[in-house]
Amino acid sequence: GIQVEQSPPDLILQEGANSTLRCNFSDSVNNLQWFHQNPWGQLINLFYIPSGTKQNGRLSATTVATERYSLLYISSSQTTDSGVYFCAVGHSGGGADGLTFGKGTHLIIQP
Amino acid sequence: GAVVSQHPSRVICKSGTSVKIECRSLDFQATTMFWYRQFPKQSLMLMATSNEGSKATYEQGVEKDKFLINHASLTLSTLTVTSAHPEDSSFYICSASSHGRGKTEAFFGQGTRLTVV
Repeated sequence: GIQVEQSPPDLILQEGANSTLRCNFSDSVNNLQWFHQNPWGQLINLFYIPSGTKQNGRLSATTVATERYSLLYISSSQTTDSGVYFCAVGHSGGGADGLTFGKGTHLIIQP
Repeated sequence: GAVVSQHPSRVICKSGTSVKIECRSLDFQATTMFWYRQFPKQSLMLMATSNEGSKATYEQGVEKDKFLINHASLTLSTLTVTSAHPEDSSFYICSASSHGRGKTEAFFGQGTRLTVV
């Protein structure tokens, strides 16, 4: 099956810093999503981005499908940004298959 | 975005008993829902695909007789953990995909933390 690798696995930053999280995948995808898992386990949808670039406030994401990677950018980090960030990909059309998740990046923002 | 609701959020049960978890799509219809399991400090692993009106399909290594899935309507899927044992303790989370504007985006329920004692 498709492989999803995220880096770095852990990241500790000071409040106000910027960060870049990376997601590499081993095959073509028709769905790529970034999630933030909060301390209660809830997965918060950040971006649906199988290709191209999107921005939402301090967060932005870019997926280069031909090179099989995606990047999540967080600018001016806040302590509330702490948590685990997951990249997940879908391999077939129409949402017929579930998502394959990377192992996540554990982000800690210190005050 | 679309809303997926999961219930209960937390359950403690005795070893040998069964537990039912519900997953509902509140503002859209979902012919397919998905069930995942997440162990502490690990990623989410797909367990099974729930298909409305037909049998669920299970990932390799997931026991279909232990994890019973029923998808009786376009907005409800249930996962029953039968004869639960302590090793079944985990975080279970469901998802459904919302189709529209040329994209299929997955939305997740709040998750259920199961503890078997």
